[in-house]
Parts: sequence; structure tokens; C-alpha cells
Amino acid sequence: QTVVTQEPSFSVSPGGTVTLTCGLSSGSVSTSYYPSWYQQTPGQPPRTLIYNTNTRSSGVPDRFSGSILGNKAALTITGAQADDESDYYCALYMGSGIVVFGGGTKLTVL
Amino acid sequence: EVQLVESGGGLVQPGGSLKLSCAASGFTFSGSAMHWVRQASGKGLEWVGHIRSKTTNFATAYAASVKGRFTISRDDSKNTAYLQMNSLKTEDTAVYYCTRIYAWGSSRHFDYWGQGTLVTVSS
Repeated sequence: QTVVTQEPSFSVSPGGTVTLTCGLSSGSVSTSYYPSWYQQTPGQPPRTLIYNTNTRSSGVPDRFSGSILGNKAALTITGAQADDESDYYCALYMGSGIVVFGGGTKLTVL
Repeated sequence: EVQLVESGGGLVQPGGSLKLSCAASGFTFSGSAMHWVRQASGKGLEWVGHIRSKTTNFATAYAASVKGRFTISRDDSKNTAYLQMNSLKTEDTAVYYCTRIYAWGSSRHFDYWGQGTLVTVSS
């Protein structure tokens, strides 16, 4: 069974930079998995932030960026703001329409 | 404006059945693969399954946790996708989201999401 790993929680100071990662329990994440990132606040559906590893969805501020770092996908927030405090989920496309989400990272901005 | 509107959630007893609907508008539904994603209270997102378009024979796939109990279907004449849930368990309690996957060219990501519908399995 494929397990996608994310840090359970992370903290960043306002104006700071934070990098969240998305890995595989076995193997490396590559662009072939079409890594995507979703932001979710309580009571709301997920919002698409990044797709195809590093493409920002429409309306997403450029302080959000995606990349591959080593053997993981990464979401970097540069100049974090208070309203970036959310849950962040990565998703990997496994082929044949199958998608696996990571467990999510709860980001605190303080 | 794109809209995905889920309905059909509610309270059901363990072992019971429920059918969710997802009404779509604002995009070419018939050409889109539709997915269901769920989220238990305080937990993360879990992919449930999908149904592809007519051009790919309405192929479906399911997560291991629901395979054999859940069935996804669609009616392109109504721009609606469905999630039939049978033999429900307490662990199926969650908000169920309908989402469209953008799967053209070199992209594979969820671009449109519904607001979700709550399913509670309890006696």
C-alpha cells in the first residue's frame, strides 16, 4: 500500500519562509506523479494551490511555490502571512486515475 | 461559473445504504473524470474513487477501504455523478466531496471542488 508522507505540523513566523514536504513511504517523488498541493481551512473544501509540481493555480499568490527537493515534492511559502495558517495536503497521481493524499500538514503562523 | 453541488448526505445506520449526488455546471461534464474524496472529522483527505468519461468507457477505480461496497456512476444527460454507498460502517462517517480532475496534457490535479455533504453512520 502506497503511503504519502507529510510533516504533521509546522510553525513559521510572520514574514518567514517554510518548506513543507511530500514523500513516499518507499521510493522517490518525481514529476511523474504530478504532485499537487491543496490548502484547507476549517469548514471549507480544499483549494488548489499548486499542480504539476510547480504551477500555481489561478489567483494563488506568488509567495507559494512548488518544487522537487531531493526525493520529495515541496511546497515553499516565502513571506508567510497570518491567513496562510491552514492545513496543507499534497496529492500524488498513481496512474489509472488513482490518487493518494498525504496525511496533511497543519501550519501555524505565529 | 463552475459549480459542483453534492447532496444526499445524512444519518444512516451501520449496514445501511446511501446514495450521494454531485450536480455539475459551468464546465464540460461529459468530458471530465469525476472523483469522490472524503474527510472524517479532524482527519485528512482520503481519495474514495473515480469514474472516467464515456471516451474511456466510464472506467472506475476505488480505494481499498471502499472497494466492493461503493459504486460510482454518472448520468451525462443530467451532468451528475453519483456515489452509491452500501454496507456502511461507522468509519465511513465523513464529509464527502465531489471533485473534477483536470487530466489533459501533462496535468493531473483536482481543479474544482464541491462544498461537501456529511454522511454519518451511527446507530
